[in-house]
Amino acid sequence: QQPVQSPQAVILREGEDAVINCSSSKALYSVHWYRQKHGEAPVFLMILLKGGEQKGHEKISASFNEKKQQSSLYLTASQLSYSGTYFCGTPYSGNTPLVFGKGTRLSVIA
Amino acid sequence: DSGVTQTPKHLITATGQRVTLRCSPRSGDLSVYWYQQSLDQGLQFLIQYYNGEERAKGNILERFSAQQFPDLHSELNLSSLELGDSALYFCASSVGTRSELFFGSGTQLSVL
Repeated sequence: QQPVQSPQAVILREGEDAVINCSSSKALYSVHWYRQKHGEAPVFLMILLKGGEQKGHEKISASFNEKKQQSSLYLTASQLSYSGTYFCGTPYSGNTPLVFGKGTRLSVIA
Repeated sequence: DSGVTQTPKHLITATGQRVTLRCSPRSGDLSVYWYQQSLDQGLQFLIQYYNGEERAKGNILERFSAQQFPDLHSELNLSSLELGDSALYFCASSVGTRSELFFGSGTQLSVL
């Protein structure tokens, strides 16, 4: 079973904000976020390890709510360079490999 | 550049054939993972090795096998290939089992 991401795809204009959600029917021990640009490999963005913890990198931040078994990725004032597919992944039981969601395709247009 | 090297970048072969994909992890990383990416399934975990030993198995077909060698490089062997095996195969490495993954550039396999 894999985490469920929503929306599947979103189109933004430069400067707009977006939220990508990742939810699971099973308990989440941690959540990883990756971005994959077209034709490239996925690149790590951040890991969220504690319930309610928010982490950020420039204008991209994320939250993790253990009780709700969900995480959200926030992209503010989007730039063209933010375009790509965003994946959340979780190890489900602490020490196991990441299981990824199907991804959210983000397109930022001028 | 993630530091993870995968070869070859592209592979075109016929049904029924066997191929080997190779991965060299980042220096110092003990864990190697193999993922398969197809358009409708996203990133599917296949198998993980840690310091030469198999650590976890995902949705890996019996026709597929892998190993990690003493120098920590890994190979994924795909045999009796079918059209449906066409996909992008990624190798990733990490320091431990809970760390961020560093992905190689992938091998695009086309089975004709």
